[in-house]
Amino acid sequence: DSGVTQTPKHLITATGQRVTLRCSPRSGDLSVYWYQQSLDQGLQFLIQYYNGEERAKGNILERFSAQQFPDLHSELNLSSLELGDSALYFCASSAPLGPGTGELFFGEGSRLTVL
Amino acid sequence: QKEVEQDPGPLSVPEGAIVSLNCTYSNSAFQYFMWYRQYSRKGPELLMYTYSSGNKEDGRFTAQVDKSSKYISLFIRDSQPSDSATYLCAMSAPLRGATNKLIFGTGTLLAVQP
Repeated sequence: DSGVTQTPKHLITATGQRVTLRCSPRSGDLSVYWYQQSLDQGLQFLIQYYNGEERAKGNILERFSAQQFPDLHSELNLSSLELGDSALYFCASSAPLGPGTGELFFGEGSRLTVL
Repeated sequence: QKEVEQDPGPLSVPEGAIVSLNCTYSNSAFQYFMWYRQYSRKGPELLMYTYSSGNKEDGRFTAQVDKSSKYISLFIRDSQPSDSATYLCAMSAPLRGATNKLIFGTGTLLAVQP
């Protein structure tokens, strides 16, 4: 158990809908990262928050947004869903250390299926 | 061209074999190199971490980094059925601010047959 909690584990929805994925980081971790994993693209970095502020951004679509709340949990909002958004969405957290330590602790993911 | 390339496999080996997993990369700024293991229906977990070039050994696992060739490897000795998983290489460059943004390979699916 990594200590990172993600809900829901599975989600099935229709095109055009909006969903919210939730992540609670490990106790004491200030950083939250969101990744998307699909069969053809692998793990793609979406966005990082550090202590409530956006810190790094990857190829996140404009239809997607995220935020980190004062209690450090984070939510990833996906709107106007398309079939291609079906994927595993992972949240990871890391300790408040400098760059390069590499230790991201991943949750078990939220599997999104868009029909 | 992707920043990190990894053969997706699948790779099937008999128990006890030596396994070699590899990644190539194009970004010369990468200095931190990692291998993550991901079991089915689970999140990735850190297996090995190496800074810059060189080798690192941990039990049956050895990670190698050759920055001149932009090539990293993971060797698994005496492979066990419990090693069956997807292995993802990951890399990062020094960035200002508190970020450990990792760039991952697509992962290699390994099956160790008993």
